[in-house]
Amino acid sequence: GGIITQTPKFLIGQEGQKLTLKCQQNFNHDTMYWYRQDSGKGLRLIYYSITENDLQKGDLSEGYDASREKKSSFSLTVTSAQKNEMAVFLCASSIEGFQDTQYFGPGTRLLVL
Amino acid sequence: QQKVQQSPESLSVPEGGMASFNCTSSDRNFQYFWWYRQHSGEGPKALMSIFSDGDKKEGRFTAHLNKASLHVSLHIRDSQPSDSALYFCAATYGGSGNKLIFGTGTLLSVKP
Repeated sequence: GGIITQTPKFLIGQEGQKLTLKCQQNFNHDTMYWYRQDSGKGLRLIYYSITENDLQKGDLSEGYDASREKKSSFSLTVTSAQKNEMAVFLCASSIEGFQDTQYFGPGTRLLVL
Repeated sequence: QQKVQQSPESLSVPEGGMASFNCTSSDRNFQYFWWYRQHSGEGPKALMSIFSDGDKKEGRFTAHLNKASLHVSLHIRDSQPSDSALYFCAATYGGSGNKLIFGTGTLLSVKP
């Protein structure tokens, strides 16, 4: 088995601030994903990466940057936090691509004041 | 843009009862349907995937796929309070826009 670790667990930011979320997996999976979860809207893909140093935009990439410097880690940056924004950011990994089971971390809960 | 419609938004069943969820794809070009479950404060966890017409059973969980109507359902028999969670269906679409699209989820409450 393996595990996905996300840090921090909670993140409180100020409007306009640049915020970075981190994700580590020890499954040795090739593909990693960042999703945003808003109440009543399901999960929406922000970025994914099929291998080290690869980046692919999802449907919600505007306002975000991502970085995959190692196979085991994938970070997400909110480039300018929006006032009153509240969401959960979920990191996931899979052996290869979208046809494989995705394993999720526990999430980072973001609140922007 | 592909969409996955999920219903109902919420569901309450007594302990030992049957819980049923529904999901429809807007696009015929799906490869798999998935069911994920998310307990409060945790990330989603995959329950099962289905890609052939008919039923797929795993323990108390049964998924049913009808490709012609683009519809998949999930049934939980003998529901337990520990089954209380948010249930998502998701569809994998192939082609040049390979992606996994999630529905908006169904919140299940199982009352003891």
